[in-house]
Amino acid sequence: QQQVKQSPQSLIVQKGGISIINCAYENTAFDYFPWYQQFPGKGPALLIAIRPDVSEKKEGRFTISFNKSAKQFSLHIMDSQPGDSATYFCAASEGGAQKLVFGQGTRLTINP
Amino acid sequence: NAGVTQTPKFRVLKTGQSMTLLCAQDMNHEYMYWYRQDPGMGLRLIHYSVGEGTTAKGEVPDGYNVSRLKKQNFLLGLESAAPSQTSVYFCASSWPPTGAYEQYFGPGTRLTVT
Repeated sequence: QQQVKQSPQSLIVQKGGISIINCAYENTAFDYFPWYQQFPGKGPALLIAIRPDVSEKKEGRFTISFNKSAKQFSLHIMDSQPGDSATYFCAASEGGAQKLVFGQGTRLTINP
Repeated sequence: NAGVTQTPKFRVLKTGQSMTLLCAQDMNHEYMYWYRQDPGMGLRLIHYSVGEGTTAKGEVPDGYNVSRLKKQNFLLGLESAAPSQTSVYFCASSWPPTGAYEQYFGPGTRLTVT
């Protein structure tokens, strides 16, 4: 049972465009929703995260939009750059030990 | 400050062999985790620890054991490796004394079981 579903699996965007990756979750007890960025041969690194008490969080070119009623959240990358080419994972956890449940990942390619 | 380190980086095992993966962190984090990453499946939690001397099962614990004898180290053991355990294994840590949710990941161990 996949508790966090992520789409699309792969995405190609032109330089300067907007990249959008979507995630849906099932467990209403989740209270922390991070996005991780992973470059080839490296471990994932936290990009941005949101708690369910806000609908949007922005950090530079990266924005999380959160829809609690729909149990969905998305990552928007504005003015996408070739250096943003990586695999992106959404995740979710609930209190306590913060065990993360990951989406399947999206391989993003930004064409110059 | 090395963050989270993992040894070895690569390993090839034959079916039935055993091995131990070592994770070390120098950030004084309370929590540590072991994940496996397989194509199209994201990362899945194997085992985790919320403090020295404690361990608990995650989503896919079968075939693995762990130990956390020291706060800075978290060991993952495979007693009898199977081809289904071919994967990339990541260790992570979180929860510094100040309290924060961010998990810091190591560089990974690529394991192939033939």
